Amino acid sequence: AQSVAQPEDQVNVAEGNPLTVKCTYSVSGNPYLFWYVQYPNRGLQFLLKYITGDNLVKGSYGFEAEFNKSQTSFHLKKPSALVSDSALYFCAVRDGGKLIFGQGTELSVKP
Amino acid sequence: GAVVSQHPSRVICKSGTSVKIECRSLDFQATTMFWYRQFPKKSLMLMATSNEGSKATYEQGVEKDKFLINHASLTLSTLTVTSAHPEDSSFYICSAQTPGQGVNQPQHFGDGTRLSIL
Repeated sequence: AQSVAQPEDQVNVAEGNPLTVKCTYSVSGNPYLFWYVQYPNRGLQFLLKYITGDNLVKGSYGFEAEFNKSQTSFHLKKPSALVSDSALYFCAVRDGGKLIFGQGTELSVKP
Repeated sequence: GAVVSQHPSRVICKSGTSVKIECRSLDFQATTMFWYRQFPKKSLMLMATSNEGSKATYEQGVEKDKFLINHASLTLSTLTVTSAHPEDSSFYICSAQTPGQGVNQPQHFGDGTRLSIL
């Protein structure tokens, strides 16, 4: 079965510093990987996806993610964090027609 | 594009009441919609996959008679929580799959419904 894991429940970053939110995956076959963000009392917003091609994927709001096959990772990154980036982040993998989500990582960016 | 509207955003009702939540794709047709349940600061638990014109596919452990799903048109799916009890209180989120290219397309999510059963 396909699965993803987010090893950190919370990540704290100072505004202006780079941020990384980690995700590792376990799949049979080619992975279809996604990152979503959730603000309080809202649904999820799509940030970016990896299907095939370049290992560095660029997405919305200045976020990018690096697909690493040897490390089975798909970490989310941003060069300079904003306070408004504070939210809950989910990594997900496609399993047939469904999405399987990681546990979520709460990102807190302090001024 | 790809906007999903979910209504109501919040509902508070008494135990034993049935509650209907609507999920609409506003600018695209969605043959498949998904219903999730989310506990505070926790991941999303897929409850069921809603297919237009056919019966929903429920995940293991989800009571189909408790959580009724109807997907009567290409833009509307509804989730009815029947005879709701306090343990059904949760944040319910729907999503819709944009058509074309299957697994390459992301799901687009509604803003969720906060259900509180007194």
